[in-house]
Amino acid sequence: DSGVTQTPKHLITATGQRVTLRCSPRSGDLSVYWYQQSLDQGLQFLIQYYNGEERAKGNILERFSAQQFPDLHSELNLSSLELGDSALYFCASSVGDLTSGRTSSYEQYFGPGTRLTVT
Amino acid sequence: GDSVTQMEGPVTLSEEAFLTINCTYTATGYPSLFWYVQYPGEGLQLLLKATKADDKGSNKGFEATYRKETTSFHLEKGSVQVSDSAVYFCALPNSNSGYALNFGKGTSLLVTP
Repeated sequence: DSGVTQTPKHLITATGQRVTLRCSPRSGDLSVYWYQQSLDQGLQFLIQYYNGEERAKGNILERFSAQQFPDLHSELNLSSLELGDSALYFCASSVGDLTSGRTSSYEQYFGPGTRLTVT
Repeated sequence: GDSVTQMEGPVTLSEEAFLTINCTYTATGYPSLFWYVQYPGEGLQLLLKATKADDKGSNKGFEATYRKETTSFHLEKGSVQVSDSAVYFCALPNSNSGYALNFGKGTSLLVTP
């Protein structure tokens, strides 16, 4: 058990709909990363939050957005869903002390994922 | 940009065989390097890490040495078990993306009795 929780575990929805995925980081971790895993694209970084602020963006579509709340949990919002959005969505948390330069703080702990199926 | 390349699978081995999964990296500077493992139907688990050149990461019988000269971080295990069947990912943090991890494509390992 990594200490990172994600809900729901599975989500089935129709094209055009909007869904929200939730992530709670490990206790004490300030950084949350969202990743998408699909068969054709592999594991791709979407977006990162650190202590409530957006810090970095990867290959995130404009239809997708995220936020991190004061209690440090994060939500990933996916809208106008398309068939191609079907994938596993993981969040990961890290101590993420980006100012210290300590490389050991960059290890990330992953949640069990949310499997999204768009029909 | 910073990236890793790992050998394509699938790899099929008999129980107690020796395992090597190759991983090479391209990076500015010397980032930490990681191996993650994904068991069927589960999330990614950190298997081992190395934070500087010549460091050896080890865990559960797996080892990998950070080699600066060959820009490699190959994963090895002396005697695999059926329970090691999983997908293995090499990864490094991308300094241009908030240290998000850049993953290799993954190597699927199947160990047969």
